[in-house]
Amino acid sequence: GAVVSQHPSRVICKSGTSVKIECRSLDFQATTMFWYRQFPKQSLMLMATSNEGSKATYEQGVEKDKFLINHASLTLSTLTVTSAHPEDSSFYICSARVGGGNTEAFFGQGTRLTVV
Amino acid sequence: QQQVKQSPQSLIVQKGGISIINCAYENTAFDYFPWYQQFPGKGPALLIAIRPDVSEKKEGRFTISFNKSAKQFSLHIMDSQPGDSATYFCAASLRGSNYKLTFGKGTLLTVNP
Repeated sequence: GAVVSQHPSRVICKSGTSVKIECRSLDFQATTMFWYRQFPKQSLMLMATSNEGSKATYEQGVEKDKFLINHASLTLSTLTVTSAHPEDSSFYICSARVGGGNTEAFFGQGTRLTVV
Repeated sequence: QQQVKQSPQSLIVQKGGISIINCAYENTAFDYFPWYQQFPGKGPALLIAIRPDVSEKKEGRFTISFNKSAKQFSLHIMDSQPGDSATYFCAASLRGSNYKLTFGKGTLLTVNP
């Protein structure tokens, strides 16, 4: 199967700072990437959908100025959590799909963000 | 409003037994139904998926049964093994939304040796 690599796998940052998470499709070109947030023992909550070269579409209730998403190339999307606070601590997961009629989405290994 | 309802929340099965997880959906426009397996601290991995034009799909020990009229689908894990212990999520998506996935709440499966 296709590989999606997420980096870093864990990050600890101080409250008020920003942190960037990268999501790369290693062996395919991803026209669409998705960013999810997952709290312990809960399901994945979609934050936003991004298509290469265009602005991300955020789900209702997700602050676009706080969670900046950039999908500048067909193999890379980034999520920047700006002015992080302890309540932003969570497991962030990206997924990518080839596009067109191909339905399968491939997930990264996730990033554990802890804001102290 | 939860569009995909998953049950049970947790499931304990003995090694060699059959694990069954059920999901029900509301949106009849959904046209792709995958199941994902997630281990602690890892991202989800696709197990098996089905489209609404077939009633059953089998891959190894994993089978999806799909009932379009009832708007329900289920995952059967045959000969369950301790290594199958994980959280399982059903999901649904539709073409018009970039195949954006709507997830169920998940089922924590424990397979006892």
